[in-house]
Amino acid sequence: AQKITQTQPGMFVQEKEAVTLDCTYDTSDPSYGLFWYKQPSSGEMIFLIYQGSYDQQNATEGRYSLNFQKARKSANLVISASQLGDSAMYFCAIEGGGADGLTFGKGTHLIIQP
Amino acid sequence: DAGITQSPRHKVTETGTPVTLRCHQTENHRYMYWYRQDPGHGLRLIHYSYGVKDTDKGEVSDGYSVSRSKTEDFLLTLESATSSQTSVYFCAISESPGFTQPQHFGDGTRLSIL
Repeated sequence: AQKITQTQPGMFVQEKEAVTLDCTYDTSDPSYGLFWYKQPSSGEMIFLIYQGSYDQQNATEGRYSLNFQKARKSANLVISASQLGDSAMYFCAIEGGGADGLTFGKGTHLIIQP
Repeated sequence: DAGITQSPRHKVTETGTPVTLRCHQTENHRYMYWYRQDPGHGLRLIHYSYGVKDTDKGEVSDGYSVSRSKTEDFLLTLESATSSQTSVYFCAISESPGFTQPQHFGDGTRLSIL
């Protein structure tokens, strides 16, 4: 079984600042994938970034990067130069080698202030 | 955007009635998933499918059944709906086992059981 812990229920950040959203995980699978999703107020789930357990380098996708520290079992999402449109719920998720679906954290509500 | 259509998008029904939600994909992906989202819980896996007629249970499968007779369609059935099944339901698809590829989500179905 997998577990995701997101310890920041809510965050307020000034526009143009960098943001780090915390995620720690627990799994007994040697192979796993870590994912971040964004859910704006309109409700859809938008895939942001993926990190495989065997990837040597941290994943990056535009303004998003994943700070993957395997020994600490953490996979923090970093958003550079935040924008008002980044205001949303952010979910960290994991899937193990059994390919039996994602386990999500409870999310972080990010609000970007002008 | 991934070609995923959920229907209906909204439904209100009464306790004890049967309900079927449909997920239709045009991507020809092998893996399909049903999740529910409740306040304070993130998303939780209900059932998933790894091929036509191949399905398995997730974390919160009690009270739900699924069927997949075609690659493109994955049905979720509540045989006798209860108020505790009031939720937002998301369908997701992935091309290969999720720990190597992200899942992409439909826009969700908001279901209210009165």
